[in-house]
Amino acid sequence: QKEVEQDPGPLSVPEGAIVSLNCTYSNSAFQYFMWYRQYSRKGPELLMYTYSSGNKEDGRFTAQVDKSSKYISLFIRDSQPSDSATYLCAMSGDSSYKLIFGSGTRLLVRP
Amino acid sequence: DTEVTQTPKHLVMGMTNKKSLKCEQHMGHRAMYWYKQKAKKPPELMFVYSYEKLSINESVPSRFSPECPNSSLLNLHLHALQPEDSALYLCASSQDLVSQPQHFGDGTRLSIL
Repeated sequence: QKEVEQDPGPLSVPEGAIVSLNCTYSNSAFQYFMWYRQYSRKGPELLMYTYSSGNKEDGRFTAQVDKSSKYISLFIRDSQPSDSATYLCAMSGDSSYKLIFGSGTRLLVRP
Repeated sequence: DTEVTQTPKHLVMGMTNKKSLKCEQHMGHRAMYWYKQKAKKPPELMFVYSYEKLSINESVPSRFSPECPNSSLLNLHLHALQPEDSALYLCASSQDLVSQPQHFGDGTRLSIL
């Protein structure tokens, strides 16, 4: 079993839809939770970063961490075609250099 | 624009060539990383530098040789690469070795003929 599981998609939604992207994990020591967006032929761009549990909101993006269920989510409101990309979740423990990535979910927002 | 800059964006080289990839960050970060990413896969860690010293080598073949000339620069020297080394090579940085998050550059797309 992988430490971090993420549905690879692709996930296809119409413009304006609310998108929900999720990852589950098995290591209870994870404390740092990141979401990266990666466009084709570009590097991963940090979207959201959360330490420990809770919610974080930035514009149309909301990140949620539920440590009791070992489950993290990224919500995108009013999705746009420009949101079409691969979304990678990544996690790390306290005092750890190592990022453990999910496999990435490919999102397509149709105009 | 990313705050981690990588050059060149693309590189094509033969198996006998020697080339270098370059990375620069101006965020004052003291940890820098090299990753390799194959198509439709997440990045895989190769090397970690902390305060300009090599801290982690994830069992990378010696045909890849990292160098950290100063706190802002990171190089990856390439020699006698194999076709399976064709990939996107990503540089990242973080505040220090035990801090997150890491910030990535746009990578160098490397093709080995």
